Amino acid sequence: TQLLEQSPQFLSIQEGENLTVYCNSSSVFSSLQWYRQEPGEGPVLLVTVVTGGEVKKLKRLTFQFGDARKDSSLHITAAQPGDTGLYLCAGASTASKLTFGTGTRLQVTL
Amino acid sequence: DAGITQSPRYKITETGRQVTLMCHQTWSHSYMFWYRQDLGHGLRLIYYSAAADITDKGEVPDGYVVSRSKTENFPLTLESATRSQTSVYFCASTAAGLRETQYFGPGTRLLVL
Repeated sequence: TQLLEQSPQFLSIQEGENLTVYCNSSSVFSSLQWYRQEPGEGPVLLVTVVTGGEVKKLKRLTFQFGDARKDSSLHITAAQPGDTGLYLCAGASTASKLTFGTGTRLQVTL
Repeated sequence: DAGITQSPRYKITETGRQVTLMCHQTWSHSYMFWYRQDLGHGLRLIYYSAAADITDKGEVPDGYVVSRSKTENFPLTLESATRSQTSVYFCASTAAGLRETQYFGPGTRLLVL
């Protein structure tokens, strides 16, 4: 069974601070996706990274895929209250199946 | 409406009862999935389907049954509900391919008493 461990599990920061969320596995994935989930809703895709070492930026969010395609990170610059939510990484292997990480719950306060 | 919908959104049932959760998507996506989300476990795959009449087990299939007679529908049945099946259930769909986005429904919150 492929496992994806995310850290930290919980993060409470003030507006304007920077943060990094990590997603680690012992397995190699064909691609890795990051989702954000708000209370009462399903996860929504933020980004997909495919190539080892790939870096993608989405406004204040920077995603990186590890060189060996086993790990990934999400960095948020100058966090805002609107960034509050549950962040999930998910690795793709076969048959379009995803293995989801344990999640990082982020709270950004004023 | 276009998209992926789930019904009911909330369900309370008793131990031993049969419960069916419905999922419907309008994109004609070939793949559909059922997940359960519990604190500390993230999202765990219960069953998935690559096409109509093709289903396969995921990580936690015990106690669940699925069917897919039509591409757009993927119902999940709890044959005899147990308290451990209290959870939030999400249905998702995607077009074929490892880089494709999975689109999630809004979830069904199930409480088994």
